[in-house]
Order: sequence, then structure tokens, then C-alpha cells
Amino acid sequence: GAVVSQHPSRVICKSGTSVKIECRSLDFQATTMFWYRQFPKQSLMLMATSNEGSKATYEQGVEKDKFLINHASLTLSTLTVTSAHPEDSSFYICSALTGNTEAFFGQGTRLTVV
Amino acid sequence: AQSVTQLDSQVPVFEEAPVELRCNYSSSVSVYLFWYVQYPNQGLQLLLKYLSGSTLVKSINGFEAEFNKSQTSFHLRKPSVHISDTAEYFCAVTIGAAGNKLTFGGGTRVLVKP
Repeated sequence: GAVVSQHPSRVICKSGTSVKIECRSLDFQATTMFWYRQFPKQSLMLMATSNEGSKATYEQGVEKDKFLINHASLTLSTLTVTSAHPEDSSFYICSALTGNTEAFFGQGTRLTVV
Repeated sequence: AQSVTQLDSQVPVFEEAPVELRCNYSSSVSVYLFWYVQYPNQGLQLLLKYLSGSTLVKSINGFEAEFNKSQTSFHLRKPSVHISDTAEYFCAVTIGAAGNKLTFGGGTRVLVKP
């Protein structure tokens, strides 16, 4: 199947700094990518839909100025957590669509803000 | 808006025993249904999906799920589990054209005991 690579897999940052997470589709072009957040022992909550060449669409309650999404090419979307705080610590997962029938997921990024 | 309910948050089961993970959804329009598996600190892997056609869908590793429109269910079953099936399982739906953003259930943690 298609491969989605997410980097880094783990990151620890200091409170107040910014962290960038990359999501790459390695063997296909993805016009649409999704960013999810997962708290421990909970389900995935969609944060935003990222479309190549246009602004991301954020779900209700997600701060777009805090979670900056850039989908600059058909194979790369980035999520930047700005001015991170401990409550932003979570597992972030991206997915990318192939055609219009299946989403492939990255391996996730565990962010810890200290 | 659609929603997904996974009735069991945790299912302990002995090796080689059968397992059923329940999933019910609500939606006012047609849905496409998915089951994903997540191993610790990893992203999601697609197990199987129902888009159209036969209501019974199967995966290559012995799982199967049946779409029941009248009961709005998409339960996942495996007749004989292995230790390696220990993981978190998520049921998800999307509306309209397959590939739209996914709505996930709360997840079911399967713990296979020897």
C-alpha cells in the first residue's frame, strides 16, 4: 500500500518554543491530508484538513494560529505547534488520501512539552 | 453529523478464542465504513473497509466485518485470535464520497492472553 512518513516520531520541547511536524506521502501525490490529535487511551480527533495550495480547514475549537498547517506540495504537509505548552503534549497523526477512496496514516509524532 | 460508537472500551480474550468488536454508527446519509488497528506508539493501519457491494468484507489476516444497514452496525470479528492481535482497534465512518474526513469511534483495546 501507499506509504506516509511522519517526522519526527518523538519530540521533546521547552514550553514557549515551536515545533514542526512533517507528513510526507512517499509514493503518491496527496491533494488532501488530515491532521489528528490523540490523547492517551482516547480516539483520534480531527484537527484540520489540509489541501495543497490552499488554506487549511480547521475543526471547531482548534486554534488556527496555534496549529499552523502548510501544504506546500502534493507530497508534504507540515503542522507547526507554536508557543507550545504542556497541555499541547499529545500524539499527533497525519493521513493522506490516495485518489478518493482510502486514507493512509503516518506513524505518528509524540510531542512532549516540558 | 455522523457519529460512531464502539460499545466496548476493552476486550480481554484468550489466544485462539474468537473475538467480536462492536461498532454502531449514526448518520442521515450513506456512509463508508472502516476498521483500523493501532499498535503502541504507531499510526493506524487499515484492516478492512466497506464502500459498496457485498456487506461482508474480509482482511488478509483473518478479520471480517459485516455491514448491517438496518442495525447501523459494522461489527468486527475474528474466529481465532493470536497474541499479535493485541492492539487498539478503531471503527470509522466517512460520508459522501469515500475519502472524506473520518469520524472515529472511541476505540477498543484488545488484550490477547496466552
